Amino acid sequence: GAVVSQHPSRVICKSGTSVKIECRSLDFQATTMFWYRQFPKQSLMLMATSNEGSKATYEQGVEKDKFLINHASLTLSTLTVTSAHPEDSSFYICSASDRVSNQPQHFGDGTRLSIL
Amino acid sequence: DAKTTQPPSMDCAEGRAANLPCNHSTISGNEYVYWYRQIHSQGPQYIIHGLKNNETNEMASLIITEDRKSSTLILPHATLRDTAVYYCIVLNFGNEKLTFGTGTRLTIIP
Repeated sequence: GAVVSQHPSRVICKSGTSVKIECRSLDFQATTMFWYRQFPKQSLMLMATSNEGSKATYEQGVEKDKFLINHASLTLSTLTVTSAHPEDSSFYICSASDRVSNQPQHFGDGTRLSIL
Repeated sequence: DAKTTQPPSMDCAEGRAANLPCNHSTISGNEYVYWYRQIHSQGPQYIIHGLKNNETNEMASLIITEDRKSSTLILPHATLRDTAVYYCIVLNFGNEKLTFGTGTRLTIIP
């Protein structure tokens, strides 16, 4: 079945640091990947849709200059949290689906980001 | 996409069947019902989906009412590892933007 890998699983860093999170589709090509954010005791909120070879589409209220998304290949999308601050501390999760084989969307295991 | 309503929490005894309801009274004809679950501190896991027929796989069964306004996810023999938040999502096939509600927190009791 479709597998989505996310790295790193946990990041702790100082305020002002930029953090890059990778999302890979391991056994299929994903023209579209999705990035979600989840605060404690809340549900997942879609941040943006990452499109291979083109600009990401951001949801309302998500700053595109703060959360940089790059989807340079069919198996890799990256999310960079620029100049992270404590309020950016959250659980970031990516997902992708293999449209060729008509598979449902599968999720990575998430990245827990803690900004000190 | 149609909204869904789920109970906020449920308990189920280990070894028994867990039946999780979902109301989606505004579902349209081309919208599917998807179920995902999220175990603590992990990404959501796909369980099952269906359009109008009942579906079964190695994880669960999905029962959709004839009018499609509600559905039930059945975990036939719940184990402690089934403790998770279960999300019922209604989605147009081809539209991949999953909208997560608050889900049902299922606790399996030993």
